[in-house]
Amino acid sequence: AQSVTQPDIHITVSEGASLELRCNYSYGATPYLFWYVQSPGQGLQLLLKYFSGDTLVQGIKGFEAEFKRSQSSFNLRKPSVHWSDAAEYFCALAGTGFQKLVFGTGTRLLVSP
Amino acid sequence: DGGITQSPKYLFRKEGQNVTLSCEQNLNHDAMYWYRQDPGQGLRLIYYSQIVNDFQKGDIAEGYSVSREKKESFPLTVTSAQKNPTAFYLCASSAPRDRGEYGYTFGSGTRLTVV
Repeated sequence: AQSVTQPDIHITVSEGASLELRCNYSYGATPYLFWYVQSPGQGLQLLLKYFSGDTLVQGIKGFEAEFKRSQSSFNLRKPSVHWSDAAEYFCALAGTGFQKLVFGTGTRLLVSP
Repeated sequence: DGGITQSPKYLFRKEGQNVTLSCEQNLNHDAMYWYRQDPGQGLRLIYYSQIVNDFQKGDIAEGYSVSREKKESFPLTVTSAQKNPTAFYLCASSAPRDRGEYGYTFGSGTRLTVV
């Protein structure tokens, strides 16, 4: 069965500092991987996605993520966090066959002044 | 602009009442999904539909029903059999993988509260 683990429930980062959000997955082959961001009371916005090819993918808002097959990870990074980045972040996986999306439990990012 | 529209944004349900959440998309996507979001549990799949007039149960379908009579619409009914319906409900759609824009688009959600 496919699954996604986001080990950090909450993370606090100072404004201007770098950010890394962790995502580990379980799947028997190379999955389709996504990172979404959600502001309170809103829907999910796609930050970036990985299907194949270059393992470092660039997304919107200055985010990037690196796919590491050997570690079954797809961590999200940003070199300098802005106060507007405070939100909840979800990692998600879609396997082969029909494309049901499986989500991690999310990481809430808090940005301190 | 193409997108997904969910309505209403807020919905209140009395005990024993059925309510229907609307989801409409103009992205020409074949597949549509309903997810339920609870704090600390991420998003869980309720129902999904790959094509018109066909749908399948997701991981937590008990107490819910759907229909897919039109490609653009995928309404979700929360029945009185759903014992704990208070949650945030998200609708999504996706393009096929053989199309370059493969991915999932989400609506802005409906918050359902039992009163």
